[in-house]
Amino acid sequence: KAGVTQTPRYLIKTRGQQVTLSCSPISGHRSVSWYQQTPGQGLQFLFEYFSETQRNKGNFPGRFSGRQFSNSRSEMNVSTLELGDSALYLCASSSGVGQETQYFGPGTRLLVL
Amino acid sequence: GQQLNQSPQSMFIQEGEDVSMNCTSSSIFNTWLWYKQDPGEGPVLLIALYKAGELTSNGRLTAQFGITRKDSFLNISASIPSDVGIYFCAGLAWSGAGSYQLTFGKGTKLSVIP
Repeated sequence: KAGVTQTPRYLIKTRGQQVTLSCSPISGHRSVSWYQQTPGQGLQFLFEYFSETQRNKGNFPGRFSGRQFSNSRSEMNVSTLELGDSALYLCASSSGVGQETQYFGPGTRLLVL
Repeated sequence: GQQLNQSPQSMFIQEGEDVSMNCTSSSIFNTWLWYKQDPGEGPVLLIALYKAGELTSNGRLTAQFGITRKDSFLNISASIPSDVGIYFCAGLAWSGAGSYQLTFGKGTKLSVIP
């Protein structure tokens, strides 16, 4: 069974641009969660989607948004990028909402210049 | 919001030694989770704890859910070089109606000297 895949793996953007990251969950998993990981703040929960609906949300500004498609694939969008958005963005999938048995992807490393 | 204090931040140990790390919080959690992250990879779940006082093992790893529900520790016995990585604790708190908060510690970076 293939694991969680994230594309692209690396990305360089400039301030003010927007970016879209993609996550394909493990086959059969309907929940996808997104996290931001930085050296200073560590791992922080962004939001979780289940069956195309956002079920839980962390404390991030509205510039961070996401969506989930009917095949459970998910995208995360960050608009008006700031330098502080440079981070590793991780996606994790699980079979249900809030399931602690999440399987993480390798992440997308975003650098904002 | 909820915060987790994970310590130590880093540790250098000799191969074969035992390791202990812990997480504390001022908040109560329903579930404690311990993850390991290797360079260039996402975190991998090592142990999940569901009840106060619960002690769970996974091979050489042992973790406990504190009685107060505000802390947890992870022990690694007889460390080997492949134990190198960053270990994270995470606390899951359900707030009703299917909502929850998942908070991570800042991580413990483990280095093992052969």
